[in-house]
Amino acid sequence: DAKTTQPPSMDCAEGRAANLPCNHSTISGNEYVYWYRQIHSQGPQYIIHGLKNNETNEMASLIITEDRKSSTLILPHATLRDTAVYYCIVRSIHSGSARQLTFGSGTQLTVLP
Amino acid sequence: GAGVSQSPSNKVTEKGKDVELRCDPISGHTALYWYRQSLGQGLEFLIYFQGNSAPDKSGLPSDRFSAERTGGSVSTLTIQRTQQEDSAVYLCASSPRGSGRMSIAEYNEQFFGPGTRLTVL
Repeated sequence: DAKTTQPPSMDCAEGRAANLPCNHSTISGNEYVYWYRQIHSQGPQYIIHGLKNNETNEMASLIITEDRKSSTLILPHATLRDTAVYYCIVRSIHSGSARQLTFGSGTQLTVLP
Repeated sequence: GAGVSQSPSNKVTEKGKDVELRCDPISGHTALYWYRQSLGQGLEFLIYFQGNSAPDKSGLPSDRFSAERTGGSVSTLTIQRTQQEDSAVYLCASSPRGSGRMSIAEYNEQFFGPGTRLTVL
């Protein structure tokens, strides 16, 4: 799986949009971008995934650049409960191995009141 | 619907004792993973079960660690003769992988339980 690079920390004001960047310049054509988050003392939580088109669900939006070398996770109206470590992962769509998750260091997002 | 559940939520044990950690995956999910996470660290893969296939035990750190999955559902992770370095949060995840008609990207999603915090004194 391709390596990802994320800033170690970000702050965001409550009610504002949180934009979390991720670089994945070595991504290959069969790899998806996944985002998970982990709130303190809880297990990781799936947020969203995408291949090349922008995606939106009830939690967030995912914007992937045309060259797919970077992406941005957008939380449109951040709340205090969104404070967590956010992990960007690039994973092949092909099965055949266990496909266990491997998280990097992620971005610690702190939503400020 | 019900998510992944784990028990106990916290376990404190003495060095040298055996412990059993339990995971109840989401009903119908065929894939089950065990990970552990030390304080401030990332996920460390331990073991993976997929249907009736032989489990992938490549992540188990020593032969003191073992896991089983009975009836393709509930899983138990056993740590024998616990050591202080075994202290961590043990996370279980399940995935619908291969259990329905969905895209590969969707069935690679993993749903995590709340974890068991193990402290070895």
